Amino acid sequence: KAGVTQTPRYLIKTRGQQVTLSCSPISGHRSVSWYQQTPGQGLQFLFEYFSETQRNKGNFPGRFSGRQFSNSRSEMNVSTLELGDSALYLCASSLGLAGGLRTQYFGPGTRLLVL
Amino acid sequence: TQLLEQSPQFLSIQEGENLTVYCNSSSVFSSLQWYRQEPGEGPVLLVTVVTGGEVKKLKRLTFQFGDARKDSSLHITAAQPGDTGLYLCAGAGPETSGSRLTFGEGTQLTVNP
Repeated sequence: KAGVTQTPRYLIKTRGQQVTLSCSPISGHRSVSWYQQTPGQGLQFLFEYFSETQRNKGNFPGRFSGRQFSNSRSEMNVSTLELGDSALYLCASSLGLAGGLRTQYFGPGTRLLVL
Repeated sequence: TQLLEQSPQFLSIQEGENLTVYCNSSSVFSSLQWYRQEPGEGPVLLVTVVTGGEVKKLKRLTFQFGDARKDSSLHITAAQPGDTGLYLCAGAGPETSGSRLTFGEGTQLTVNP
C-alpha cells in the first residue's frame, strides 16, 4: 500500500506570493491533517479535514486555508507569503478522525522557502 | 494552551550508551505518543501510551507514561547509530479533539559509532 505522498517536495517563493501544497493520503484513509514544522516552534497543527469538511483548526491566521476533495486528497494554500512561513509542511492521514489513539501516517513533507 | 517540553534538546552519545529523553507538561493528556523523524521524512509513530503509569517496551526502547498523565519518558538501552533521529512526543486531550496533537519541540539524538 502506497504511503502518504506530498507534492511538491521543495518550493521556493518570494514574499507576497501564494502557494498551494498537495497531499494524497493512504488509500482508504479519510482524514487528512496538516502541520507546520519549524526549528523554533516544532510541529504545530494547522487543520484537519474529514469527508471534505474541516473538523479542527489550529491557531494560524486566515492566510492559511485548506480543502479536501471527494477522493480524500487535500490541498493547503498560503496566501501573501511571509518570511516566517518558511517551514516544512507535513500532511498526515488516518482512517477516521485522528485522535490520541489513532495512528497518523505522515508524508515526507513539502519544504517551503520564502525569500 | 497545552505545552509539552522535551529535554534535552540535543544529545550526542557513543554507541552502546544508555539515554533517557523526557517530555513534561503542566497539562493532563488522555494519551501520549512518541515519534521518530529522520531527515527528509515525516515522523513515524513508535508508541502510544494511555494509562497513567503505563510502561511499554519496543526492543531496546522503553516508554513510560507518568502516573498523573502529565509527563513521559523514553529510555534507550545500548544505543546504536540506527537510533539517530529526532524524537518527538505528542499529547492528545483531554481538552483537545480530533487531530489537535500537541507536539514537543523534539530531541535530536546522534549516536556515534
